[in-house]
Amino acid sequence: KAGVTQTPRYLIKTRGQQVTLSCSPISGHRSVSWYQQTPGQGLQFLFEYFSETQRNKGNFPGRFSGRQFSNSRSEMNVSTLELGDSALYLCASSGDASSYEQYFGPGTRLTVT
Amino acid sequence: DQQVKQNSPSLSVQEGRISILNCDYTNSMFDYFLWYKKYPAEGPTFLISISSIKDKNEDGRFTVFLNKSAKHLSLHIVPSQPGDSAVYFCAASGRNNAGNMLTFGGGTRLMVKP
Repeated sequence: KAGVTQTPRYLIKTRGQQVTLSCSPISGHRSVSWYQQTPGQGLQFLFEYFSETQRNKGNFPGRFSGRQFSNSRSEMNVSTLELGDSALYLCASSGDASSYEQYFGPGTRLTVT
Repeated sequence: DQQVKQNSPSLSVQEGRISILNCDYTNSMFDYFLWYKKYPAEGPTFLISISSIKDKNEDGRFTVFLNKSAKHLSLHIVPSQPGDSAVYFCAASGRNNAGNMLTFGGGTRLMVKP
């Protein structure tokens, strides 16, 4: 089975712009979660989608949003980018509603200048 | 408030010896724990997990121990190999969450010297 894929792998944006990141989960997986990794804050949970519904949301401002499509692919969007949004954004998928084990993609490295 | 803590930012071990990585948690609602390994510029790779109904789980060279009363878990790698050099994260989840949400520790960088 192919793993979790994320596009793009690298992105450079300017403050104030918005960005959309994409994630394709492992085939058959219906849960997709997003995490942000920064040197200062570590790995932090953003949100999780299951069957196109957001089930969980972390403590991030409303500028961070996401969605999931009927084929389980997910996108996250960050509007009005700030310098502090520079991070590695990781997507993870898991098989079903009760599975704790999540499998991560390679991440998208976002740099905001 | 860090609910999952890895107090050792780094650990250096000789090849062939045992590596022990530690993790503490504060939230008593956590009932499932996982260890991930991460190389630079890659996503975390799932290693091993343990449910709170167990106190030990083994998979090849990797063993995770859970001490619920102390709210402590550890990952043992025996024997350690240079390819094990990476950052290791422990993560926790619990049924208080509506869905899948992992809370991660800050990570421990393991260096295995040949």
